[in-house]
Amino acid sequence: DIQMTQSPSSLSASVGDRVTITCRASQSINSHLNWYQQTPGKAPKLLIYAASSLQSGVPSRFSGVGSGTDFTLSISSLQPEDFATYYCQQSDSLPLTFGGGTKVEIK
Amino acid sequence: EVQLVESGGGLVQPGGSLRLSCAVSGFTFSTYWMSWVRQAPGEGLEWVANIMLDGNEKYYVDSVRGRFTITRDNAKNSLYLQMNSLRAEDTAVYYCARRPALGHAPFDFWGQGTLVTVSS
Repeated sequence: DIQMTQSPSSLSASVGDRVTITCRASQSINSHLNWYQQTPGKAPKLLIYAASSLQSGVPSRFSGVGSGTDFTLSISSLQPEDFATYYCQQSDSLPLTFGGGTKVEIK
Repeated sequence: EVQLVESGGGLVQPGGSLRLSCAVSGFTFSTYWMSWVRQAPGEGLEWVANIMLDGNEKYYVDSVRGRFTITRDNAKNSLYLQMNSLRAEDTAVYYCARRPALGHAPFDFWGQGTLVTVSS
């Protein structure tokens, strides 16, 4: 199984900050990496697919880069509605696996 | 508007069974792969099962294979998860999620989830 490791597991930031979250796969997953946002009590929401493609309707302050084993999600200017938990997920091979999550909290 | 609405969750004793349903609307159900993904209380996300377009190809995470069965009824726009021999570690919110039938697709829409609690 492909293990997905996210870092950090949590971070504190202020509105307007640039935030970067990393995700590392235990083996190459090409560009088959997706990012989701989850707020408490809600279902996850797809932000980025295929490592760098922005899902329709997602603000352009979100961006993703990477290929192979190392990936990053960036939020260029953190907004109040961005305080949430973020998950990466590989869709390269079964079983589909998620990272452990990164909780973005208000500083 | 795309909608996925899960139902069927509840409290069940260890060793018991439960059947979850997911009713979908707003898209052509028969042209999408479908999945169940779960989240234990306070924990991260875990993919549980996939079913392809006609229901003949199914895949499971090792921890549920042989106990859970995913099915779909394209005529009723519905997805199901039959869960047998339930264990305490199956306690979670269960989400149904849609995947475009394209190679290495993400989960692009999710339902709101239904809570399954396995406890005596």
